[in-house]
Amino acid sequence: AQSVSQHNHHVILSEAASLELGCNYSYGGTVNLFWYVQYPGQHLQLLLKYFSGDPLVKGIKGFEAEFIKSKFSFNLRKPSVQWSDTAEYFCAAGSYNTDKLIFGTGTRLQVFP
Amino acid sequence: EAGVTQFPSHSVIEKGQTVTLRCDPISGHDNLYWYRRVMGKEIKFLLHFVKESKQDESGMPNNRFLAERTGGTYSTLKVQPAELEDSGVYFCASSQNLPSGGNEQYFGPGTRLTVT
Repeated sequence: AQSVSQHNHHVILSEAASLELGCNYSYGGTVNLFWYVQYPGQHLQLLLKYFSGDPLVKGIKGFEAEFIKSKFSFNLRKPSVQWSDTAEYFCAAGSYNTDKLIFGTGTRLQVFP
Repeated sequence: EAGVTQFPSHSVIEKGQTVTLRCDPISGHDNLYWYRRVMGKEIKFLLHFVKESKQDESGMPNNRFLAERTGGTYSTLKVQPAELEDSGVYFCASSQNLPSGGNEQYFGPGTRLTVT
């Protein structure tokens, strides 16, 4: 069955700390991978996406993610977080021939000044 | 350009009542999706419209849920009769219909439904 796992449910960091949020997927066939973010009081917005090509994907606000096919992983990273990164982060998977997204349970990130 | 809008933002109803949620996609987006997040769980796909046609409704929980998209513009999701387990946040998303596939989905703010 198709699934996405996010192992960190709640992460607390101080400003300037480095961030890595884990995401593993189980998906048959060619997979498209996404990270979405939901800031407090706002709607889900796309941080970055991987369809093909360079496995290191750069997104908005200094975020990046690396697709490692052998590990079925698509971890999100940021070298130095800011208080404004406080939000909930969702990893999602889809495929070339269907737009249906499979989401992980989300990771709530709190950054303290 | 206006984003995806949803109405209402919050609805509180009693078990057994009917509620209708509305979604207005981004203008020109043929694809419209409904998702639901029950508290503490993942966001789950409900269904996908391409214009006015249901492309995939594999995620619809049961026949108490009815989604429509007459004319291929806005969509409604009706829950009748509502049950306690229907509580959650209902998200709508839309995307263009690009030949390359894997279309980026733009999400609305969600409707928080509470069934008491």
